[in-house]
Amino acid sequence: DTGVSQNPRHKITKRGQNVTFRCDPISEHNRLYWYRQTLGQGPEFLTYFQNEAQLEKSRLLSDRFSAERPKGSFSTLEIQRTEQGDSAMYLCASSLRQQETQYFGPGTRLLVL
Amino acid sequence: SQQGEEDPQALSIQEGENATMNCSYKTSINNLQWYRQNSGRGLVHLILIRSNEREKHSGRLRVTLDTSKKSSSLLITASRAADTASYFCATDAAAGNKLTFGGGTRVLVKP
Repeated sequence: DTGVSQNPRHKITKRGQNVTFRCDPISEHNRLYWYRQTLGQGPEFLTYFQNEAQLEKSRLLSDRFSAERPKGSFSTLEIQRTEQGDSAMYLCASSLRQQETQYFGPGTRLLVL
Repeated sequence: SQQGEEDPQALSIQEGENATMNCSYKTSINNLQWYRQNSGRGLVHLILIRSNEREKHSGRLRVTLDTSKKSSSLLITASRAADTASYFCATDAAAGNKLTFGGGTRVLVKP
């Protein structure tokens, strides 16, 4: 499968715990995006990378959130001290720089108890 | 924040009928895209229309764009039960190509 993959697909955690999600983009894609989607809503942009550089962060990305793409390939999104309001689907997408279409992964569904 | 509104929020039709949904947005755009999302899954890209285009077709899909009204419509012809999903419009306004999504239209196609 050469699509975008995300792990884990589901995560249940207790409030206050840290969680980390991984995204593996399509191999030749140098742009990688993170979005968050709550139930019944459309996805909201969190941050994006071009190669290893993080070029933009949404104000939704509080200081408890950190994203990395150390070698310009896979990316991780970490949430520290999780809160119940962090419960959502976290979606990753990738694209070629010159191509507007973004290809989405299946998402990681987070539930914070 | 969401870029725009989608209308209707939900739509229920019989198999074989056409489904039309609308999207309005607030700021100037480079392009507008439509995505489909089956329950609890990732998004699948359907079609992209650029700001200098007015209409585009792809299979059973027809998209229109009116930049003067800041609105777009998606028409699915001859719907099938497999078209049951949520449909989202997304605008690309900035050089970073981040997408700003609407709230979605939930479509139910009854067999």
